[in-house]
Order: sequence, then C-alpha cells, then structure tokens
Amino acid sequence: SAVISQKPSRDICQRGTSLTIQCQVDSQVTMMFWYRQQPGQSLTLIATANQGSEATYESGFVIDKFPISRPNLTFSTLTVSNMSPEDSSIYLCSVLEGGRGTEAFFGQGTRLTVV
Amino acid sequence: KQEVTQIPAALSVPEGENLVLNCSFTDSAIYNLQWFRQDPGKGLTSLLLIQSSQREQTSGRLNASLDKSSGRSTLYIAASQPGDSATYLCAVEPGGGADGLTFGKGTHLIIQP
Repeated sequence: SAVISQKPSRDICQRGTSLTIQCQVDSQVTMMFWYRQQPGQSLTLIATANQGSEATYESGFVIDKFPISRPNLTFSTLTVSNMSPEDSSIYLCSVLEGGRGTEAFFGQGTRLTVV
Repeated sequence: KQEVTQIPAALSVPEGENLVLNCSFTDSAIYNLQWFRQDPGKGLTSLLLIQSSQREQTSGRLNASLDKSSGRSTLYIAASQPGDSATYLCAVEPGGGADGLTFGKGTHLIIQP
C-alpha cells in the first residue's frame, strides 16, 4: 500500500496569509487528490492534481484560492491562499495507487487554524 | 449527483457487542465502495474495499457487504473493543468518470470499557 507523508501536520496562521501543504508518496501514482474536512463534517474533494497539467477543480473551489502543483508522479502541493477563519479545516492528500477502481490511501492530514 | 448517507450518526455500546454500521448511496454506478476509520484529528485508514462486482469483504473482526443494486453497504464489527472507538466513513468511487470519492458524514462510534 502507498505511504503518504503530508507536511505540515498542523499550523496556526494569520488571516490574509498563505500556507503551502506538501504531499509526498513513496511510489509513482497517476491519480492524486486533495480533500477538505471542515469541523464536524465529512470530506469534500477540492481538486484532482494532474501531473504535467493544471489541476481539475470541483464546484465551489477555484485555482486562485487553492493553487495546486504536481511536478512529478510522487509529489504535490496545495496552497491555501489569502486565508480567512473559514478556511480552518483539515486538508488531506489522497492517492489511488493503481488508478480508478483501486484502493484509496490518505495522508495524515494538515490541521489548519486561521486566526 | 451521488449522495452517501450513513446511519446511525453516532453509536455508543458496551465492549464485546457485535454491531452494524449502515451506508447507502443514491447512484448504483460505482467502481467500488470503501470503508475507512478516522481517529480524532487524524487522517483516514482504509479498512475494506469492495469492488462493484463483489458482495462482501472480510478483514479480521470486520466484514463489509455490498448490495449495489439497492445502494447499500453494511460494516459489521464483531466483538467490539475500546480500541475500535473512532469515526467510520463510507465512501464510493463514482463510475461515471467523476474524480475522487464521495463520502458519507460518518458514524461516530464509542465502545465503552
């Protein structure tokens, strides 16, 4: 199974600043995703990180707010830009190790608090 | 649009009981269904993956079933232990080309010692 390292594990940030979250996978994977989990809620897909092209964003999420990089098949970053307290959430990186229809694995998440 | 519902939202039982968590989904066009466990403030741990062509999967004290035509899955936990206390999430991977998983809101489980 894929092992995913996510950094930082938690952070407290001032409103108006940006935070970049890193996701490193121990194997090459085609499909990598970023999710948000707001307090007391379940996971919502932010975007699919595509290697070599722009990320594909879900409804309600935009590139200016959540820019994503995917420079290779083992690494991705998510930036939360111009943060407000409403961005306080857990952000999780996920992969489908074998592509569609295969088991999903998740990083340990980044707990973000915006003050 | 795929929707996933989990019942109950919370459950508290004494140690040793067998219990069933329920998950339903609205669109039967799925690749698979996966059960996860989430401990407070942590990421997700995969428990069981059931492909759309399968009826059930087992791992230790856990057994998950899938009835794709009726849009239902159950997670059965045998001989529950305090260490089973966590939030259990059900998720489906849509089969229509949409990316990512669609999650339910979870069942918050407490096993009383």
